[in-house]
Amino acid sequence: EDQVTQSPEALRLQEGESSSLNCSYTVSGLRGLFWYRQDPGKGPEFLFTLYSAGEEKEKERLKATLTKKESFLHITAPKPEDSATYLCAVQAPGNQFYFGTGTSLTVIP
Amino acid sequence: NAGVTQTPKFQVLKTGQSMTLQCAQDMNHNSMYWYRQDPGMGLRLIYYSASEGTTDKGEVPNGYNVSRLNKREFSLRLESAAPSQTSVYFCASSELTFTRSPLHFGNGTRLTVT
Repeated sequence: EDQVTQSPEALRLQEGESSSLNCSYTVSGLRGLFWYRQDPGKGPEFLFTLYSAGEEKEKERLKATLTKKESFLHITAPKPEDSATYLCAVQAPGNQFYFGTGTSLTVIP
Repeated sequence: NAGVTQTPKFQVLKTGQSMTLQCAQDMNHNSMYWYRQDPGMGLRLIYYSASEGTTDKGEVPNGYNVSRLNKREFSLRLESAAPSQTSVYFCASSELTFTRSPLHFGNGTRLTVT
């Protein structure tokens, strides 16, 4: 069964303390892996798409990487405004998307 | 450019009542989706429409119906609401023509069924 698992469920960081979020998947025939940011009371906001192992994407303090079994979202020197829930999703053949349950990130000033 | 617009933002229903959630996108996307989000369970697909005129069941379709009114609009109907349908509902769209295209979400409808 296709599955997406995110860890940790919650993460508290001091401002400036770098860390990584993990997304592991068992989807066969991966078409793409997507990272989203979700703020309270809002819909998920698209961040990155990764297509193949070894690929990396960057945006400000965020960097996403992909291997054959997992993806990491690295957060460098985070700021309080980076606090949000980060969702990972994979796209399987047939256009189906499978979502993880997210990592809730809190950055403390 | 509003992206994906959902109405209403909040709704409270009594058990057995019906309602329709509305969704419209202005990005000329071919595919549209309805998801529900519950604590600890992530986003689950209810129904989707790969293109105008087609709809298909997702992971949790029971108790729901959908209509792809035109390319822009995709509605979700609850015929007889149940407390188990208390959730946050998100509409999304994507450009199916390009493979690996991401979903773009609206800001959700928060539904409570008492």
